[in-house]
Amino acid sequence: KAGVTQTPRYLIKTRGQQVTLSCSPISGHRSVSWYQQTPGQGLQFLFEYFSETQRNKGNFPGRFSGRQFSNSRSEMNVSTLELGDSALYLCASSYQEGGYTFGSGTRLTVV
Amino acid sequence: KQEVTQIPAALSVPEGENLVLNCSFTDSAIYNLQWFRQDPGKGLTSLLLIQSSQREQTSGRLNASLDKSSGRSTLYIAASQPGDSATYLCAVPDSGGYQKVTFGIGTKLQVIP
Repeated sequence: KAGVTQTPRYLIKTRGQQVTLSCSPISGHRSVSWYQQTPGQGLQFLFEYFSETQRNKGNFPGRFSGRQFSNSRSEMNVSTLELGDSALYLCASSYQEGGYTFGSGTRLTVV
Repeated sequence: KQEVTQIPAALSVPEGENLVLNCSFTDSAIYNLQWFRQDPGKGLTSLLLIQSSQREQTSGRLNASLDKSSGRSTLYIAASQPGDSATYLCAVPDSGGYQKVTFGIGTKLQVIP
């Protein structure tokens, strides 16, 4: 079966712009989580969605937002980009307590 | 709040050695624990998932154990190979639900041919 698909794979944006990242979970998985990975901070939890509802949110500013659609696909949006937002953004899907499956990530570079 | 520590942070071994990676966590009320591997610039690949009712899981040359009472998990890699070189991460759920996991900073493994 198809894995978790993240698009795009790479992005280069300018400070002040906004960006939208997409994640398609494994078919049948209704939970989608987002993580930011940087060399200094490791993997940091952004938020988790289940059946279009945000159930949990990490300690990120309001510039980071997300949503989930009825087909479980999820998007995250970052507005007013800062240099420090440069990171690998990873999406994971899960089914009940069956563990997480991650996508390949989106590498965002802010210049 | 769950806190996860992985020791050592980096490890360099000659090919063929058996090795142990450690993961400790502060909140033992977990329902599972998952080990991942990450190659540079790539996503995370799941290696083993241990449910709270299990004490260990095996896949090929990998064996992971879980001791909830002591807040520890170990990943054992037998007969290491250069292809095992990667960063190994453990992921532990926050108590009270499965909406969030906390990752350790990882152990960066280099296997020298």
